[in-house]
Amino acid sequence: DAGVTQSPTHLIKTRGQQVTLRCSPISGHKSVSWYQQVLGQGPQFIFQYYEKEERGRGNFPDRFSARQFPNYSSELNVNALLLGDSALYLCASSLGTSDQETQYFGPGTRLLVL
Amino acid sequence: GENVEQHPSTLSVQEGDSAVIKCTYSDSASNYFPWYKQELGKRPQLIIDIRSNVGEKKDQRIAVTLNKTAKHFSLHITETQPEDSAVYFCAASINFNKFYFGSGTKLNVKP
Repeated sequence: DAGVTQSPTHLIKTRGQQVTLRCSPISGHKSVSWYQQVLGQGPQFIFQYYEKEERGRGNFPDRFSARQFPNYSSELNVNALLLGDSALYLCASSLGTSDQETQYFGPGTRLLVL
Repeated sequence: GENVEQHPSTLSVQEGDSAVIKCTYSDSASNYFPWYKQELGKRPQLIIDIRSNVGEKKDQRIAVTLNKTAKHFSLHITETQPEDSAVYFCAASINFNKFYFGSGTKLNVKP
C-alpha cells in the first residue's frame, strides 16, 4: 500500500537557516496540503495545492512557501527559521475532485530548530 | 477564519464503557467534518467523517453526530477497547479547503 511519503523523517537546523521538506502523494491524488503540528496541539493548516495551483493558505508568515510539481509531489520551504518553527510537519493528499476530498496523512517530518 | 474547539482534552474510561468527544465550530459555512485518530509517534488516521447534509453516521463501534444549528459535532465510541487509546482530533472544512483541527482529546481506555 503506497501511502503518502515524506522526507526527511527528522531534521535539525539552527535559527536563521532555511529548510525544504518534501512530500509524495498517493498515486492518483492531485491535491496536497501541508500542516504544522506543535507538540500537544492539533495540526495547523499551512497550504493546499491542487493541480500545481495554490488553493488555500493558512495564517502563516511569508517565510513559509510551497509548490507542487507536475507529478503532484510537493515541497514546503521555510526561510529564516525561528525556534518556534520546531514541530512535526505533516503532508496530506487527496484526490482533489468534488466528493473525493478525504485527506490521507504522511508520517511527517520532525523539524527541530536550535 | 474557522475556529474549532474540542472537549475534553483528556478522557479516561474503563474498557467496555462508551466515550464521547465534542467539538464546536464557528463558521456556519463548514460542511465537512472528519475525525482522526493519532497514536503516539504516528500519523493521523481518518476514522470517520460526516458531511453537513447528514445528521448521523455510524461505522461499527464508532458514530458521529452533527448539529448544524448549534454548530457542534460529536464522536461516540462504544464498547471501548485498550487499542482505542490514542489522541483524537476533530476537524472542520468549507468545501474541503483549509481543514481546521481541534486541539485533540487524549483517550485512555483502562483494561
